[in-house]
Amino acid sequence: DTGVSQDPRHKITKRGQNVTFRCDPISEHNRLYWYRQTLGQGPEFLTYFQNEAQLEKSRLLSDRFSAERPKGSFSTLEIQRTEQGDSAMYLCASSLAGRIDGYTFGSGTRLTVV
Amino acid sequence: ILNVEQSPQSLHVQEGDSTNFTCSFPSSNFYALHWYRWETAKSPEALFVMTLNGDEKKKGRISATLNTKEGYSYLYIKGSQPEDSATYLCAFSNTGNQFYFGTGTSLTVIP
Repeated sequence: DTGVSQDPRHKITKRGQNVTFRCDPISEHNRLYWYRQTLGQGPEFLTYFQNEAQLEKSRLLSDRFSAERPKGSFSTLEIQRTEQGDSAMYLCASSLAGRIDGYTFGSGTRLTVV
Repeated sequence: ILNVEQSPQSLHVQEGDSTNFTCSFPSSNFYALHWYRWETAKSPEALFVMTLNGDEKKKGRISATLNTKEGYSYLYIKGSQPEDSATYLCAFSNTGNQFYFGTGTSLTVIP
């Protein structure tokens, strides 16, 4: 297993466009998390899945954001009608439920909305 | 949203110096605390998972302590090396379902 991979690494988009990011977790990990990091801040929780079920979603997350994990493997995060405030690093992490191990993170997708 | 604070925000030390950082978190309903190292252009890497009050963990020159009753954890680096330059993040959970991150301490070790 090559770890958690995210695609793309960088994305530049115009304001108002939709974007979609993909995360492939470690294959035996049943939990998958999305975090967002803006400049000067720590990673902020967005949502997490256990298998294909989305168990929690941050109240800070606008309705323009949606995430899926249709088969309990890879996940996608879509942002509709992007705004400049969406510019951030989007991090994906995975773990095994019931274990207290630290997360395994991907390298992130850096989004710039112009 | 739970408040996790880290200090200092940034630190510059000379090679060979020892240093430490602080992570403060809510002292009620503790589940676990993680420390991560995040080097530029890489993924955050888990350093320590701490679960019990009084825990002390060590990995090479890096060690961490935990006080859940007063809500803080310290990360120590002995004899800092340039390769220790990174952002050090702590993350706290009260349920084990999601972790809340601090803003990190950016360490620069000057050769």
